[in-house]
Amino acid sequence: DQQVKQNSPSLSVQEGRISILNCDYTNSMFDYFLWYKKYPAEGPTFLISISSIKDKNEDGRFTVFLNKSAKHLSLHIVPSQPGDSAVYFCAASIPGTGNQFYFGTGTSLTVIP
Amino acid sequence: GAGVSQTPSNKVTEKGKYVELRCDPISGHTALYWYRQSLGQGPEFLIYFQGTGAADDSGLPNDRFFAVRPEGSVSTLKIQRTERGDSAMYLCASSLTHSSGANVLTFGAGSRLTVL
Repeated sequence: DQQVKQNSPSLSVQEGRISILNCDYTNSMFDYFLWYKKYPAEGPTFLISISSIKDKNEDGRFTVFLNKSAKHLSLHIVPSQPGDSAVYFCAASIPGTGNQFYFGTGTSLTVIP
Repeated sequence: GAGVSQTPSNKVTEKGKYVELRCDPISGHTALYWYRQSLGQGPEFLIYFQGTGAADDSGLPNDRFFAVRPEGSVSTLKIQRTERGDSAMYLCASSLTHSSGANVLTFGAGSRLTVL
């Protein structure tokens, strides 16, 4: 039962343009969301997070938007750079439990120079 | 250490053998997690330690899987009587537990297990 879904397995974007990666979730108890980036042969690295008390969080070129009513979040990368090419995972948790993070299946982003 | 260290990075074994995977978390991180990632999937939760105790082992798929963290630092994931379906990347992560309960996991590079 996949509680966090990333329906686009891959995405290609031209360098300098915006990349938009989407994530949907089903569990309304999720209250904290994270995006991770993964390069081949490396573990996932934390990128940006958002708590449900916010609808937007920005860090440099990366912005995460949260729409709780739609149970949807998205990661915007502007401008996209070739070094952003990686697999992006969205993850969700229920704060206070501290234990389980539920990950999506990932979206492979390719930024074309 | 500077990051989460996992050994071995690659392990090839035969069906039915016993395997141990080791994780050395970031110094001072009290929480330690094991995840498994199969091809084309996201990381799947296995077990979580807070200190020395397994606070949540609900993700372990069956009793062939076991994990320990005897001194609250290094952890070992143990798999008995390995099966071909156990082949996956095993990821370890550690974190400081924030007061709000919101954690950021720092992952190691993983141990790729292949069962022939």
